[in-house]
Amino acid sequence: DAKTTQPTSMDCAEGRAANLPCNHSTISGNEYVYWYRQIHSQGPQYIIHGLKNNETNEMASLIITEDRKSSTLILPHATLRDTAVYYCIVIQGAQKLVFGQGTRLTINP
Amino acid sequence: GAVVSQHPSWVICKSGTSVKIECRSLDFQATTMFWYRQFPKQSLMLMATSNEGSKATYEQGVEKDKFLINHASLTLSTLTVTSAHPEDSSFYICSAPKRLAVSTDTQYFGPGTRLTVL
Repeated sequence: DAKTTQPTSMDCAEGRAANLPCNHSTISGNEYVYWYRQIHSQGPQYIIHGLKNNETNEMASLIITEDRKSSTLILPHATLRDTAVYYCIVIQGAQKLVFGQGTRLTINP
Repeated sequence: GAVVSQHPSWVICKSGTSVKIECRSLDFQATTMFWYRQFPKQSLMLMATSNEGSKATYEQGVEKDKFLINHASLTLSTLTVTSAHPEDSSFYICSAPKRLAVSTDTQYFGPGTRLTVL
């Protein structure tokens, strides 16, 4: 019962911006959009989250559409170490996380 | 950020034995922790919610007598796989929420424990 839809896989050239889309058309007003990534054989890593405003931190930027039905995670200058599975999750408060299949992002040299 | 550790990082055991995995929040307290399992090429599957001072809450289809969870303190939760069998071989990951802002928590994950049952 995943609430998000993401492409199965994406490729991006090293040094370019990686833009990962996520659809969450049924998001409710008090649900946040969270992004995590999982590098092979490691635990997931928190990247960024937002409610309705665009957000930026040292890892990435999160662009949320005005109607909040979709968002885009932007890695501004992708490196080979950004190769991972990226998960977009909508969640309210302290709810448990439910992971979908995510997007497998491959950064190519 | 926040740091969550797991021990051991990997373990190999014989069929029929029990294995304990520890999850610790190193620089914050967590009244709740979560345990996930991940099979190869699959996504994370939530197994149970560990509650400090009370019983764990298990997801549908997860055997509570097989996967014993103890949340003895605000920084430690343990998962014991009892009478392990080869089909229990998997990557076990824990997480703990930390409040970064009003009305929302962020989950921080441990590095995972790879269990191989022979």
